[in-house]
Amino acid sequence: KAGVTQTPRYLIKTRGQQVTLSCSPISGHRSVSWYQQTPGQGLQFLFEYFSETQRNKGNFPGRFSGRQFSNSRSEMNVSTLELGDSALYLCASSLTVPRGTDTQYFGPGTRLTVL
Amino acid sequence: GQNIDQPTEMTATEGAIVQINCTYQTSGFNGLFWYQQHAGEAPTFLSYNVLDGLEEKGRFSSFLSRSKGYSYLLLKELQMKDSASYLCALGNTPLVFGKGTRLSVIA
Repeated sequence: KAGVTQTPRYLIKTRGQQVTLSCSPISGHRSVSWYQQTPGQGLQFLFEYFSETQRNKGNFPGRFSGRQFSNSRSEMNVSTLELGDSALYLCASSLTVPRGTDTQYFGPGTRLTVL
Repeated sequence: GQNIDQPTEMTATEGAIVQINCTYQTSGFNGLFWYQQHAGEAPTFLSYNVLDGLEEKGRFSSFLSRSKGYSYLLLKELQMKDSASYLCALGNTPLVFGKGTRLSVIA
């Protein structure tokens, strides 16, 4: 079974631009979560989706948004990029509705660099 | 809040045993996860403890004590490939991750 895939793997943008990242979960998984990982802060939770509905949102500004499609694929968007948005963005999928008991399986991440 | 503390870095010798601790302060959670993350790669699932006690999986074991707010990951017969970051995460919605412990295995 194929794992979680994320595209693109690497991205370089300049301040003020916007970016869209994509995540395809493991086949059959209906829950997708997004995280931002930086050396200083570790893994910070962004959003969590199940059946096209956002179930939870982390403490990030409104410039960060996301959505999930009927095939469980998910996208996240960051508008008006800032230097501090440079990070590894990880997507993780799990089988069912988020309950804190299901194992999350991570994709390889998208490395975003903002210049 | 759900403060999670892990040592930032640890170094151990090939063939040895190392214990990576994770302490937390929280009012409740479903279980505790451990993930391994090699540099530049995605975190991969190692173990999940829902009940107090030790869960053994080959060279890796994980322990949980809810009353003490404490978990540890035990790695036996260390190999060079075990050099990675180890993340503990509280099983809530959403998962809450510690900042991770970077383990270096030296010859």
